[in-house]
Amino acid sequence: DTEVTQTPKHLVMGMTNKKSLKCEQHMGHRAMYWYKQKAKKPPELMFVYSYEKLSINESVPSRFSPECPNSSLLNLHLHALQPEDSALYLCATTWAGSTDTQYFGPGTRLTVL
Amino acid sequence: GESVGLHLPTLSVQEGDNSIINCAYSNSASDYFIWYKQESGKGPQFIIDIRSNMDKRQGQRVTVLLNKTVKHLSLQIAATQPGDSAVYFCAENAGGTASKLTFGTGTRLQVTL
Repeated sequence: DTEVTQTPKHLVMGMTNKKSLKCEQHMGHRAMYWYKQKAKKPPELMFVYSYEKLSINESVPSRFSPECPNSSLLNLHLHALQPEDSALYLCATTWAGSTDTQYFGPGTRLTVL
Repeated sequence: GESVGLHLPTLSVQEGDNSIINCAYSNSASDYFIWYKQESGKGPQFIIDIRSNMDKRQGQRVTVLLNKTVKHLSLQIAATQPGDSAVYFCAENAGGTASKLTFGTGTRLQVTL
């Protein structure tokens, strides 16, 4: 099973709202990632969790707050977002090695009004 | 800085013909390369990968070629089908403690009937 699931599929929120994105995998992978993808652009790395600890933060604004409650779950908490944060948010997972394939979820399409 | 780029933003191919999508990379330390296919509204889907100790790898209808001398990567799709229409990204991994990928800019493949 190489499935990574993400919920919700679509999310519309106002700039004062607080919402969360969820990513789940049951492949036993120990590294999990959040990416942001704007239209017609490649995915941009935001955060990396390795063995449930944050290992990389690509200078992401604090209005994005990641959380890894356990090895199967990855959350992205959103607060006070801006319209320019509207994008497709992708979760990916891998075994944990530096040369392991990353498997992506379907993404959450976020619109900030 | 280091980057991964593509020569052609859009490639139009007739159904049944072979497609070749190219990618240039600049980080000579990269030791793992992946091709992803992304259909509209979906997350990137793994197609094929290759490690730096190889120069060719074949899958079902797809072949990846790696030329380390000129830092060039290509994806060949045999007998292109309408279902192959998508954006294709190459990605490189320079190693390290986490599998951090750098994506190319992407090529849109359009299959005409």
